[in-house]
Amino acid sequence: AQKVTQAQTEISVVEKEDVTLDCVYETRDTTYYLFWYKQPPSGELVFLIRRNSFDEQNEISGRYSWNFQKSTSSFNFTITASQVVDSAVYFCALSEASGSARQLTFGSGTQLTVLP
Amino acid sequence: DVKVTQSSRYLVKRTGEKVFLECVQDMDHENMFWYRQDPGLGLRLIYFSYDVKMKEKGDIPEGYSVSREKKERFSLILESASTNQTSMYLCASSPPGGISYEQYFGPGTRLTVT
Repeated sequence: AQKVTQAQTEISVVEKEDVTLDCVYETRDTTYYLFWYKQPPSGELVFLIRRNSFDEQNEISGRYSWNFQKSTSSFNFTITASQVVDSAVYFCALSEASGSARQLTFGSGTQLTVLP
Repeated sequence: DVKVTQSSRYLVKRTGEKVFLECVQDMDHENMFWYRQDPGLGLRLIYFSYDVKMKEKGDIPEGYSVSREKKERFSLILESASTNQTSMYLCASSPPGGISYEQYFGPGTRLTVT
């Protein structure tokens, strides 16, 4: 079974719409970290956020917000009032205490296209 | 800012050639990683290194080897390139320590093997 599942392969929205990217993870560890990365067309992955397993508070950063729910093993990412510059591939990733202390397990990514 | 650079953005090689992909980071990070990215599969870890001359296999090491002679440089080697190694290759680095640190990525090398 995949440890990190991003069921949405592609999403297309019109500018100014809100969009939520789903991420479901699987782990037996009680200590773990979740990450979101953005990969614009230039190719370089850009770190967006990190959340540890003991902190279930939602986080907001400008138009971005993240909803972490341990009960459903989900760490969803919402972009409010989307813009064309948000078009990118977004990856969710998991880092577990039981695994190698250096490894990230990535989901398959969601391609977001924001149309003008 | 952390800077991770990769030697080429695009590379075209022939089947059977030996291919070197170079990665350099300038933040004195102990950990370095090589991933390949394929559509629908996300990023898959090939190898990583947590110190000079140290390496560990990732999830898909077959057909690859690595070299880390200096802390700032981590090379991925395809001993005999094959068409199924056509992919985007991403290098990353991170500070030492536990699981909480994010990784910093280079711009990627798109390798085509014909």
